[in-house]
Amino acid sequence: DADVTQTPRNRITKTGKRIMLECSQTKGHDRMYWYRQDPGLGLQLIYYSFDVKDINKGEISDGYSVSRQAQAKFSLSLESAIPNQTALYFCATSEGLSEGETQYFGPGTRLLVL
Amino acid sequence: AQTVTQSQPEMSVQEAETVTLSCTYDTSESNYYLFWYKQPPSRQMILVIRQEAYKQQNATENRFSVNFQKAAKSFSLKISDSQLGDTAMYFCAFIPRGGGATNKLIFGTGTLLAVQP
Repeated sequence: DADVTQTPRNRITKTGKRIMLECSQTKGHDRMYWYRQDPGLGLQLIYYSFDVKDINKGEISDGYSVSRQAQAKFSLSLESAIPNQTALYFCATSEGLSEGETQYFGPGTRLLVL
Repeated sequence: AQTVTQSQPEMSVQEAETVTLSCTYDTSESNYYLFWYKQPPSRQMILVIRQEAYKQQNATENRFSVNFQKAAKSFSLKISDSQLGDTAMYFCAFIPRGGGATNKLIFGTGTLLAVQP
C-alpha cells in the first residue's frame, strides 16, 4: 500500500463550487504539505502543518483553506473554485531534519475547474 | 532569494547509455539539502536521490549518482545504463537545513528526459 494517498485522483468541477481534496499518510510523519504544480512553474507551496495544532500559509494560500484532522490526515479545500485553480495538487509528508528534510509525495490530484 | 535553475528543458539518451542532467542553485545558506525527484507520465513525484551539503561525498543510488560542487553551487545527476523506465521529467530541488523561512522545497522547472530504444 502507498505511504501517502490522495483522493480523488481526478476531479472536474464548475466555477463557484466548493471542493475538498484529501490526503492520508501511514509514514507516521508529523509534517504535511500541500503543493500545486502548474506547467513550467514547478511546485508552489499552498499550506503546511507541523502538527495537528500548527497550520501555516505557504506562498499561494489565497483561495484555499486546510484542515488537519489528525496526524495522518490533511485536507485542502477550495471554497469557491475558479478556473485558474486548475492544476495538479500534491500532498507531501516529512519527518524534518531527522530524515534530511526529505519530503515524500502522494500520487497527486488533477483538478479541472470549468 | 533562493533559486534553482535547470538549464536543459529537454534531453534525449539511447537506452543503456549514460546521461547527465544539470542543476545550479543560489543560496546564502551554508547547511542545506539537495534532491532530485523524478516525475514519470503517471505524474507521481518520486525521490531519486538526496545530498546533504555538509557531506563532501557524492550520493549514489544504484544507477543514479550526483556530482555535487558546493563552491560552484552545482548539483548534476548522472544516470548510468539508461532504461526506458527512466523516461520522465526530472526536478532538482533545494531546502535549507531546518526548512528555512518558508519550509518549502524550492524546485527547478524540470528537465524532460526521453530514453530512446
